[in-house]
Amino acid sequence: AQSVTQLDSQVPVFEEAPVELRCNYSSSVSVYLFWYVQYPNQGLQLLLKYLSGSTLVESINGFEAEFNKSQTSFHLRKPSVHISDTAEYFCAVTPVGGRRALTFGSGTRLQVQP
Amino acid sequence: ETGVTQTPRHLVMGMTNKKSLKCEQHLGHNAMYWYKQSAKKPLELMFVYNFKEQTENNSVPSRFSPECPNSSHLFLHLHTLQPEDSALYLCASSLELHNEQFFGPGTRLTVL
Repeated sequence: AQSVTQLDSQVPVFEEAPVELRCNYSSSVSVYLFWYVQYPNQGLQLLLKYLSGSTLVESINGFEAEFNKSQTSFHLRKPSVHISDTAEYFCAVTPVGGRRALTFGSGTRLQVQP
Repeated sequence: ETGVTQTPRHLVMGMTNKKSLKCEQHLGHNAMYWYKQSAKKPLELMFVYNFKEQTENNSVPSRFSPECPNSSHLFLHLHTLQPEDSALYLCASSLELHNEQFFGPGTRLTVL
């Protein structure tokens, strides 16, 4: 079985500062990894995903995540955040080739302050 | 527009009422999901349907009854709910079980 740990339930940061949201996973097999974002009163939206190939993946709004197999991590980073990035961020994992639904982490609330 | 719609967006019901939540996806996906999202709690997977067949039921109380008449529609029938069932109920779909999920906007349910 897979599991996902997001150790930080809340991350406060000032506008234009860099941010890192941590995600660690546990799995005995290879995995696909995802980051979702949830803005207030909305559903979750896919932010980026790692399936194979380059371990660094990017989103269209400046976020990036790096798959680190040795550390079983998939941390999300942004060099300069905006007020509009305030949201809940969820990391998710699923086994490669497995017929299993995604397993989600508990989420990290990013609060960007002016 | 995510391609996954949910109705109603808001619902207030008493503990003796019977109501249904509806989810529809226009993405040609084969798997659909119900999640419960409560304040200050992790996202809880409730039910999973794959090709209209239920593949997961994560110990959900029987007062929640899912129905999947076809791959595009998913319902959650509610009866004799408790106040602690108040939450945001999210529907999602994916092409296959291991693919990325697309979420609807959710139904905000309040049980009085």
